[in-house]
Amino acid sequence: QQQVKQSPQSLIVQKGGISIINCAYENTAFDYFPWYQQFPGKGPALLIAIRPDVSEKKEGRFTISFNKSAKQFSLHIMDSQPGDSATYFCAAYTNAGKSTFGDGTTLTVKP
Amino acid sequence: GAVVSQHPSRVICKSGTSVKIECRSLDFQATTMFWYRQFPKKSLMLMATSNEGSKATYEQGVEKDKFLINHASLTLSTLTVTSAHPEDSSFYICSARPTGYYGYTFGSGTRLTVV
Repeated sequence: QQQVKQSPQSLIVQKGGISIINCAYENTAFDYFPWYQQFPGKGPALLIAIRPDVSEKKEGRFTISFNKSAKQFSLHIMDSQPGDSATYFCAAYTNAGKSTFGDGTTLTVKP
Repeated sequence: GAVVSQHPSRVICKSGTSVKIECRSLDFQATTMFWYRQFPKKSLMLMATSNEGSKATYEQGVEKDKFLINHASLTLSTLTVTSAHPEDSSFYICSARPTGYYGYTFGSGTRLTVV
């Protein structure tokens, strides 16, 4: 499988702060880049996603920034809350639906 | 909308037995569903693509005879772990995308423990 590299592995942020998670991909055939949030024992839940013809997408406190030339994309969580504490995965999909996931980032938001 | 239901949520089975996991799209039809495996504190690994009415497509390194996939209808795909062994213990998750929908929806996962 093509690789998607995600960093950092873990992140601790104070309540109200900004959480930033980065991903880099290799395969230019990927055309859909979502971020998922996963709580222990649950399936991933789609947070926000972007296609490569857009450089930024914002939904509430969540923003994806996408740099097509650098093959990088990032998730920004503004005004981070303790309830945001979870594992976050980036992923990249081809148009056939085949996916590659990053290794995940464990986010802890301290009160 | 776009709900994927997965059952059971947890299953414990004896080594050597087979276990079936169901994945249902509740409010949409899914010609394609995806099965993933996730180890503790690890990422999701795509195991196979389930195609309605035809054979599943398996990723490299996934044993077809060990992980049997059947997609007999537009709303149901099943994954059967045959002759399960302790190393098959894992979290199995399915996913699907409704036609015209932007994203892929995941089921809630099945925790398989083989003893």
